Amino acid sequence: DGGITQSPKYLFRKEGQNVTLSCEQNLNHDAMYWYRQDPGQGLRLIYYSQIVNDFQKGDIAEGYSVSREKKESFPLTVTSAQKNPTAFYLCASSVIRQGPFFGQGTRLTVV
Amino acid sequence: AQTVTQSQPEMSVQEAETVTLSCTYDTSESDYYLFWYKQPPSRQMILVIRQEAYKQQNATENRFSVNFQKAAKSFSLKISDSQLGDAAMYFCAYRSAYGGSQGNLIFGKGTKLSVKP
Repeated sequence: DGGITQSPKYLFRKEGQNVTLSCEQNLNHDAMYWYRQDPGQGLRLIYYSQIVNDFQKGDIAEGYSVSREKKESFPLTVTSAQKNPTAFYLCASSVIRQGPFFGQGTRLTVV
Repeated sequence: AQTVTQSQPEMSVQEAETVTLSCTYDTSESDYYLFWYKQPPSRQMILVIRQEAYKQQNATENRFSVNFQKAAKSFSLKISDSQLGDAAMYFCAYRSAYGGSQGNLIFGKGTKLSVKP
């Protein structure tokens, strides 16, 4: 089945630690995105990539980093510079004329 | 910059009845796409329906239909014969038809829909 897989589903981070969220898609989509969702809020764009080896900052990129070495993969690293990382993170992929398809999300909690 | 506004934080509907969720947007572009996404308690975002700005005909997907008013910049979602499984957060989203950074989705803050048995 084609789709987007995010892992892990739940992730706990200690203060000062970097953590990496995985996102893999087998839909052959060129574009991939990372969004952050806070309670009672819509989704906000962190980073996006339209093509392999290229990515751009979104609205709230500070404290995050990404890579796009393969078309299928777009991992997100939450660095220690992100002061309030507790949130729900959603990865998506798309072709330009269609709505993005989303993964099931990762819930990140700082402990 | 484009913005999307959902003015109803919460809505409620009786099972089997019809409900309409409102969405307005602001843009200076002429070519774009509009979407409604559903987010059930599992929190996965599910695409419900899609509308292209250049198509005058309103999109329909089974019990879901939209009322797209381009001049008024309005894009409401109608759910007919509401079912218990329709209970979820619903997000309206805008996407430019142009490439680059403008191809990303801009979301409203969502409407929480409850369905009463």
